[in-house]
Amino acid sequence: GAVVSQHPSRVICKSGTSVKIECRSLDFQATTMFWYRQFPKQSLMLMATSNEGSKATYEQGVEKDKFLINHASLTLSTLTVTSAHPEDSSFYICSAFRTSGGTGEQFFGPGTRLTVL
Amino acid sequence: GESVGLHLPTLSVQEGDNSIINCAYSNSASDYFIWYKQESGKGPQFIIDIRSNMDKRQGQRVTVLLNKTVKHLSLQIAATQPGDSAVYFCAEASGYSTLTFGKGTMLLVS
Repeated sequence: GAVVSQHPSRVICKSGTSVKIECRSLDFQATTMFWYRQFPKQSLMLMATSNEGSKATYEQGVEKDKFLINHASLTLSTLTVTSAHPEDSSFYICSAFRTSGGTGEQFFGPGTRLTVL
Repeated sequence: GESVGLHLPTLSVQEGDNSIINCAYSNSASDYFIWYKQESGKGPQFIIDIRSNMDKRQGQRVTVLLNKTVKHLSLQIAATQPGDSAVYFCAEASGYSTLTFGKGTMLLVS
């Protein structure tokens, strides 16, 4: 159990266009999902925390108007990169938080490789 | 041997050797720590975790050691196999909240 999927796995777009990435928890419900960005040979950097039914919480330095997050259901969060530019090219990874009793664990998706031309 | 690249330290070991990957964490308030394995082009995969009330935890072929005094975490992999080649990240959290990832170490098994 605890499978998280992302779609698409890979996307190439032109500069100035918008791209939507989906993150789904397939076999559990997640009130909280997280979005990370990872540049080559670097670590995962948390971009934002997505809570079902409320606004996302963005980390310092992450533009909320550029990276739109929607967590409309307990199994789906979307990240839209608006007006993408080459510097937005990166590996975007989501995770879904599954609670169990008083504890919980993040389960990670396989990532989405975004290339902006 | 171990070398430090521009962004990602690399540890090279022979198949069958034991590997030790180290991590220094920053927040003394962190009480939950996780090691992840990330293969190229994939998301992180959970390996083992440890809470701050423990200093050692063992899994299958892996052991995590926690030294809170010096804020140091290590992952030991016994009898390293080619399939263990990947980037390994430690992550820290306070409670079960947001994770902060370390810089990562690339493990190369030949």
